Amino acid sequence: KQEVTQIPAALSVPEGENLVLNCSFTDSAIYNLQWFRQDPGKGLTSLLLIQSSQREQTSGRLNASLDKSSGRSTLYIAASQPGDSATYLCAVSSGGSYIPTFGRGTSLIVHP
Amino acid sequence: EPEVTQTPSHQVTQMGQEVILRCVPISNHLYFYWYRQILGQKVEFLVSFYNNEISEKSEIFDDQFSVERPDGSNFTLKIRSTKLEDSAMYFCASSPGLASHDEQFFGPGTRLTVL
Repeated sequence: KQEVTQIPAALSVPEGENLVLNCSFTDSAIYNLQWFRQDPGKGLTSLLLIQSSQREQTSGRLNASLDKSSGRSTLYIAASQPGDSATYLCAVSSGGSYIPTFGRGTSLIVHP
Repeated sequence: EPEVTQTPSHQVTQMGQEVILRCVPISNHLYFYWYRQILGQKVEFLVSFYNNEISEKSEIFDDQFSVERPDGSNFTLKIRSTKLEDSAMYFCASSPGLASHDEQFFGPGTRLTVL
């Protein structure tokens, strides 16, 4: 059974910092990995999807990488802004299933 | 930009009552999903639906739950005889297909409170 762990659980940084959020998973036979953003009391917004055959994906200030052999993905946020404050969720589909297993998320606060 | 919509945004019900949560998936998507998130916990998969049939379900999705696509646009989750522990955010999602590049797009959620 896939287990997804996200470290750190919470992060508070000043505006402008570059930061890295980590996601680790136990079953490396992944189908894809998706990073989401969740604002308090709101739904999930898809940020990036990395297919099993890919190593990274980029969108604006966001870059997600995937290392299947070590069971890790990182989400890199460049030049963080207060508007980036949210919970970031990692979701991994694996084991022949397209159904994602979610991590608990990293709660990010970017203060001015 | 097309989006998944859900109604109501908040539903309060008495224990033992039945509730129906509604979703309108993105129009050209073929796969639909329900997830739930109990406060402070992980997002959990409930059920997936394709071609008017359940394609996969989790152990959470027992006889208390059912899903339906009553018309060409709506996708519903019915919870019978609600319990206190059913209180959670319920998210609907849809995807165009099941290819590895197909993202799941989530709705804003329905907060269900069972009293």
